[in-house]
Amino acid sequence: GAVVSQHPSWVICKSGTSVKIECRSLDFQATTMFWYRQFPKQSLMLMATSNEGSKATYEQGVEKDKFLINHASLTLSTLTVTSAHPEDSSFYICSARDSAGSGGASQETQYFGPGTRLLVL
Amino acid sequence: GDSVTQMEGPVTLSEEAFLTINCTYTATGYPSLFWYVQYPGEGLQLLLKATKADDKGSNKGFEATYRKETTSFHLEKGSVQVSDSAVYFCALGLYGGSQGNLIFGKGTKLSVKP
Repeated sequence: GAVVSQHPSWVICKSGTSVKIECRSLDFQATTMFWYRQFPKQSLMLMATSNEGSKATYEQGVEKDKFLINHASLTLSTLTVTSAHPEDSSFYICSARDSAGSGGASQETQYFGPGTRLLVL
Repeated sequence: GDSVTQMEGPVTLSEEAFLTINCTYTATGYPSLFWYVQYPGEGLQLLLKATKADDKGSNKGFEATYRKETTSFHLEKGSVQVSDSAVYFCALGLYGGSQGNLIFGKGTKLSVKP
């Protein structure tokens, strides 16, 4: 089946530094990738949607200059948290979809990564 | 706005017990409804879905029926196993859920004891 990986699985950084999180589709082409954020005991909240080769679309209230998303290839999207602060500490989850249904992916399904836990000190 | 409310956990059951995890929703329009499961250390996986009223989604012994009159999509399993221990998320989505418009509940952690 379709698999999505994330790296790193957890990261601790100092306030003011930038952190990059990678999301990869391992056996299918991810034409669209989504980035979610989850606070403890809260729902997953969609942050942005990115299509390969184009700019990401951010949800209302999400700062695009704070959370930089790059979807440069059909198997990789990155989320960079710039100048991280303690309030950015959260669990970040990506998902991917293949509109053409290649490899092991169904075109109507989002496949989720295992998430990245970020702690900003 | 659209929202999903699911019962808070954790839920602890003995093996072979009956499981119900309640989920209700608020939505404009006609959403699709989903249950996702997250096993320890893994990503969310689609467990089952229903795209219209009275549809029943089923997979791996789990079932849920899209009840428009009660705006509910409760997850049930007749006999749980230790391997069912995971976090379960109810979600609704427009456009069949393939777009990013998935709205999740807070998740319910299930622990099944042998």
